[in-house]
Amino acid sequence: QSVLTQPPSVSAAPGQKVTISCSGSSSNIGNNYVSWYQQLPGTAPKLLIYETNTRPSGIPDRFSGSKSGTSATLGITGLQTGDEADYYCGTWDSSLSAGVFGGGTKLTVL
Amino acid sequence: QVQLQESGPGLLKPSGTLSLTCAVSGDSISSSNWWTWIRQPPGKGLECIGEIYHSGSTNYNPSLKSRVTISVDKSKNQFSLRLSSVTAADTAVYYCARVGGGSSSYWFDPWGQGTLVTVSS
Repeated sequence: QSVLTQPPSVSAAPGQKVTISCSGSSSNIGNNYVSWYQQLPGTAPKLLIYETNTRPSGIPDRFSGSKSGTSATLGITGLQTGDEADYYCGTWDSSLSAGVFGGGTKLTVL
Repeated sequence: QVQLQESGPGLLKPSGTLSLTCAVSGDSISSSNWWTWIRQPPGKGLECIGEIYHSGSTNYNPSLKSRVTISVDKSKNQFSLRLSSVTAADTAVYYCARVGGGSSSYWFDPWGQGTLVTVSS
């Protein structure tokens, strides 16, 4: 059971937009920045978003992040087949004094 | 660029001790970053194991704390993971990563490629 809650799967057509939610509590998302990771099949996770809404160099602006209260959202526009992957949210949990992740969301581009 | 590479045995017997090393290149282990271990059981999600600063300060996942030791070797620019009393539930791909941010900001980048550790008799 993950500390952060994500939907197991989402899907959308190429060119469309999708959002992935990540729900937590005041001890994690509510008082800390959120990061998002993309894990393509058979590879290590890659940082997509940090500090809730900042993209590292090289990440296209099709990817965006936001937060409201104890929930965060990853948005992906202009979906491409190459975006098919598992997506994870993560943050620090002040009560656990440890990093925590969501259970992951599998994105299917139909 | 910064690269991390995990190494260690891929097969362990139950009750044994898992030992992995993460070699860091392109950055100093003594920089102002924490360094972390994360694992992913086959077909499942990510789990933080713990992290270390070059001073030796550590944070461990409470669920693993009694079995985990993370250490740093500044002379070799690497850090290591030991997990004792392993069971089949510890079978996973183990990743090392650099921790970014500070205070309320916390992320992992870059990651190593990961190494699969299987616990089986």
